[in-house]
Amino acid sequence: SQQGEEDPQALSIQEGENATMNCSYKTSINNLQWYRQNSGRGLVHLILIRSNEREKHSGRLRVTLDTSKKSSSLLITASRAADTASYFCATVPGANSKLTFGKGITLSVRP
Amino acid sequence: NAGVMQNPRHLVRRRGQEARLRCSPMKGHSHVYWYRQLPEEGLKFMVYLQKENIIDESGMPKERFSAEFPKEGPSILRIQQVVRGDSAAYFCASSPPAGQGYEQYFGPGTRLTVT
Repeated sequence: SQQGEEDPQALSIQEGENATMNCSYKTSINNLQWYRQNSGRGLVHLILIRSNEREKHSGRLRVTLDTSKKSSSLLITASRAADTASYFCATVPGANSKLTFGKGITLSVRP
Repeated sequence: NAGVMQNPRHLVRRRGQEARLRCSPMKGHSHVYWYRQLPEEGLKFMVYLQKENIIDESGMPKERFSAEFPKEGPSILRIQQVVRGDSAAYFCASSPPAGQGYEQYFGPGTRLTVT
């Protein structure tokens, strides 16, 4: 079964609004990563947060990690139409373990 | 600095034929990963290779699928006697020598259609 499960499955917002996407997982992790996939393209790495970190920022992205609840959230502030894509979380159980992806969240940002 | 390159981008095969998918990692990256993605699904890990070595093939089907990463040249994912269920997007990713638990850089994928 998938280690990471994203929520919601689909999200539609207006340009300028914030988008919050969640990821829950079952086992302990070394790190958790978020990726974006535009339609028909490969995945692009967005951000990596380690198990001893609680929050990380990168431009308009903010990622939080709550290891007690085994969950992470990705916040995109001031969304743009170009943010329309699928977003995946990937969990890494150990430092040298493979990535396990969730099914993804489809984000649509209306102009 | 070129990213991860995959070719072909689209591949059509009839049932029973062989499919060969190629992946050239980013310069300086010695770790290669192959994933399969079905429509509306996330990526499923298939195999992790370093030069001339298969490190983890726990996601590879036992039959018809094989992968290699030779000393020279790209990594190859080979599917023999393809069936309709093999139709999917196949993505390759690479990472620097730090290990497979770190960020990975993805190619654009090869979309395989089996008719």
